[in-house]
Amino acid sequence: RKEVEQDPGPFNVPEGATVAFNCTYSNSASQSFFWYRQDCRKEPKLLMSVYSSGNEDGRFTAQLNRASQYISLLIRDSKLSDSATYLCVGGRASGSARQLTFGSGTQLTVLP
Amino acid sequence: DTGVSQDPRHKITKRGQNVTFRCDPISEHNRLYWYRQTLGQGPEFLTYFQNEAQLEKSRLLSDRFSAERPKGSFSTLEIQRTEQGDSAMYLCASSTRQGAETQYFGPGTRLLVL
Repeated sequence: RKEVEQDPGPFNVPEGATVAFNCTYSNSASQSFFWYRQDCRKEPKLLMSVYSSGNEDGRFTAQLNRASQYISLLIRDSKLSDSATYLCVGGRASGSARQLTFGSGTQLTVLP
Repeated sequence: DTGVSQDPRHKITKRGQNVTFRCDPISEHNRLYWYRQTLGQGPEFLTYFQNEAQLEKSRLLSDRFSAERPKGSFSTLEIQRTEQGDSAMYLCASSTRQGAETQYFGPGTRLLVL
């Protein structure tokens, strides 16, 4: 079983739709969580960190449930420019650094 | 551009050849990471440096792989006797201990082994 699991999609949604991605993690040592966005043939870029209290950044809302080891990302009013692969990431302390474990990604296509 | 840079961006090689990739991190970042990403998968951790010290290596890093960061600035990743299974995107990321320690990724080196 992979340490971070995501539904690979693809999710094809119309512009303006609300879409939700889910992710589960199996390593209880994971302490911090993130969503990264990766455009086709580009590098991953941090979208947002995920906190237990839930956090929102504009149209994006992330939620963490430590008891269920579950992470979610909600995108409201989706735009064409939101089309990308969304990577769920768990981070754990490894020595003095933070080691990131990535899910395989969920592919989103927003259609006009 | 003050982001992470990687060179070359693309590399095609024949099986059995050696290849070397370079990563230049963000200048004030003392932490540098190498990842490998294959099609349809997320990046997988390979190794990590703090300044010039290589502090952690994944079991994915076979003995054909070696990484260095001699002066605590740029890093190189060498693959000896390349195999077709080494074909992947090799990503470098850097971070600083301060704040949220966000890892910033470079554009990657796409390797194709024929």
